[in-house]
Amino acid sequence: GQNIDQPTEMTATEGAIVQINCTYQTSGFNGLFWYQQHAGEAPTFLSYNVLDGLEEKGRFSSFLSRSKGYSYLLLKELQMKDSASYLCAVRDSNYQLIWGAGTKLIIKP
Amino acid sequence: IAGITQAPTSQILAAGRRMTLRCTQDMRHNAMYWYRQDLGLGLRLIHYSNTAGTTGKGEVPDGYSVSRANTDDFPLTLASAVPSQTSVYFCASSAEAGGNNEQFFGPGTRLTVL
Repeated sequence: GQNIDQPTEMTATEGAIVQINCTYQTSGFNGLFWYQQHAGEAPTFLSYNVLDGLEEKGRFSSFLSRSKGYSYLLLKELQMKDSASYLCAVRDSNYQLIWGAGTKLIIKP
Repeated sequence: IAGITQAPTSQILAAGRRMTLRCTQDMRHNAMYWYRQDLGLGLRLIHYSNTAGTTGKGEVPDGYSVSRANTDDFPLTLASAVPSQTSVYFCASSAEAGGNNEQFFGPGTRLTVL
């Protein structure tokens, strides 16, 4: 079967750095996405990886290792507004997105 | 309209009733999707459409139907609602189905079936 694993919840301090991990087992791989979802709102796109390595976008970076079925999202200089759920999704061989349950990130002052 | 819209925002529905959730996008995206999101579970794909005139089944299609008569609209119909269909429903669209095309999400419809 297809499976995306992420930690359920993480806590970090304002101004710090946090890494959210995602491991996947899917039928085929055609890219990995990270989305942010604030409570009661729709998911919004953060990053896309299809090749191994690090993609940096401001305070957010995403890493992919296809051989290990592993990705992480790195958030630097955490702000209170970063409190949200972070969703990992893999595009499978049918070009459909398979979604993890999300990681709820709590930022403390 | 800017982006993707959904209606209604929320709805309470008696079991057995028929309900259509509306979704409209003005980005001229070819691909559209319907997901449901339940607590503790990831988004699950119900139905999708890679281009106007075509539709496909996702992971959890039973009890739902869709149509794609034109590029902009992608309604989702529950023929006879059941309590297990209580969920938050998100419509999404992307320029194309593959590549690095991100999906843009509507604001969601919160549906309660009693």
